[in-house]
Amino acid sequence: KAGVTQTPRYLIKTRGQQVTLSCSPISGHRSVSWYQQTPGQGLQFLFEYFSETQRNKGNFPGRFSGRQFSNSRSEMNVSTLELGDSALYLCASSAYLGGTEAFFGQGTRLTVV
Amino acid sequence: QKEVEQNSGPLSVPEGAIASLNCTYSDRGSQSFFWYRQYSGKSPELIMSIYSNGDKEDGRFTAQLNKASQYVSLLIRDSQPSDSATYLCAVNIMSGGGFKTIFGAGTRLFVKA
Repeated sequence: KAGVTQTPRYLIKTRGQQVTLSCSPISGHRSVSWYQQTPGQGLQFLFEYFSETQRNKGNFPGRFSGRQFSNSRSEMNVSTLELGDSALYLCASSAYLGGTEAFFGQGTRLTVV
Repeated sequence: QKEVEQNSGPLSVPEGAIASLNCTYSDRGSQSFFWYRQYSGKSPELIMSIYSNGDKEDGRFTAQLNKASQYVSLLIRDSQPSDSATYLCAVNIMSGGGFKTIFGAGTRLFVKA
């Protein structure tokens, strides 16, 4: 059974650009959550998608957005990148909605220069 | 008060000893509790979940939950150098009519050979 796949693994972008990250969950899982991980802030919840709808979101500015497709694959977009957006972005796949066992992908390491 | 609090450590124990990791949470309505292990440069890996008061054992790992005290812990028996990692406590928190999973900052564990 394939695990959670995130692409790309690494990205370098310039301030002001935008970026799109992709996550394919475990087959049969319908929930995808996104997290930002930095050394100073730890794992911060961005949002959760279930059945193509955003069900919950964390305290991040509107520059951070996402969507989910009918096959449960999800994308996260960050517009007008800032240096502080440099982080590891992790996607977590769950079978059910909200606060259940989650399985993480390998993450996308984003560096903003 | 942070929603999920852990001692950042580092916690250092000799090989073969019991490592005790602790976590407190603020939301009395939380129903699900998880422990993840994260090796340096890797993504978090789920090692235990617990939903009811008391102890839950899985191999060398025991999770303990006390909802009245809003406290959850992880005991690692016969600690091995390969257990050296950051351990993340995660709790589901009521939000927006549902739940989201919030992570503590993690406790770094070193097991000395």
